[in-house]
Amino acid sequence: DIQMTQSPSSLSASVGDRVIITCRASQGISNYLAWYQQKPGKVPKLLIFAASTLQSGVPSRFSGSGSGTDFTLTISSLQPEDVATYYCQKYNSAPNTFGPGTKVDIK
Amino acid sequence: QVELVQSGAEVKKPGSSVKVSCRASGVTFQNYAFTWVRQAPGQGLEWMGEIIPMFETTNYAPHFQGRVTIVADESTSSTFLELSSLTSEDTAVYYCASARPNPLVGAEFLQHWGQGTLVAVSS
Repeated sequence: DIQMTQSPSSLSASVGDRVIITCRASQGISNYLAWYQQKPGKVPKLLIFAASTLQSGVPSRFSGSGSGTDFTLTISSLQPEDVATYYCQKYNSAPNTFGPGTKVDIK
Repeated sequence: QVELVQSGAEVKKPGSSVKVSCRASGVTFQNYAFTWVRQAPGQGLEWMGEIIPMFETTNYAPHFQGRVTIVADESTSSTFLELSSLTSEDTAVYYCASARPNPLVGAEFLQHWGQGTLVAVSS
């Protein structure tokens, strides 16, 4: 089965900073990659699908890129409400594994 | 508007089974796939399995194979997760989520999520 890794596991940044989270698949998954945001105590929320397509209603400071095995989630200007854990997920074929998550907080 | 409503919290004894339900509204049930995900306390998201009624397909994570069953009931627009031989390591919040079915890949990304169901396993 394909394994998903993320880096870093956590980060602390200032408001307004550019934040980049990396997700890597152990085998190629084309662009079948989604990103989710989970705020503390809340249900996960879809941010991006097909590696780079922004879900409706998600702020444009979020963007995704990549294909094959390497993907990134970028927050162009970190806001206080972005404090959350971010997960990538492959969905090219079952099992649709999640990455271990990246916890983002404000410095 | 898609809404997924899950059954309430459960407390179970080790060795027993649990069945969690998820009722969908605002959708044509047959046109969606449904995935079950769990999250142990302080841990990440763990994909458990999916059911795609349109394709009459069910897939499970190897970690749960033989212990998990996912079914769908179109008459009630519901999907059910049953997990057997429970241990304390199964204590978690269990989520159902809906996805678009894709004939090439199965269930796609998870667009809508239920509120979660806490299952606590304790003697």
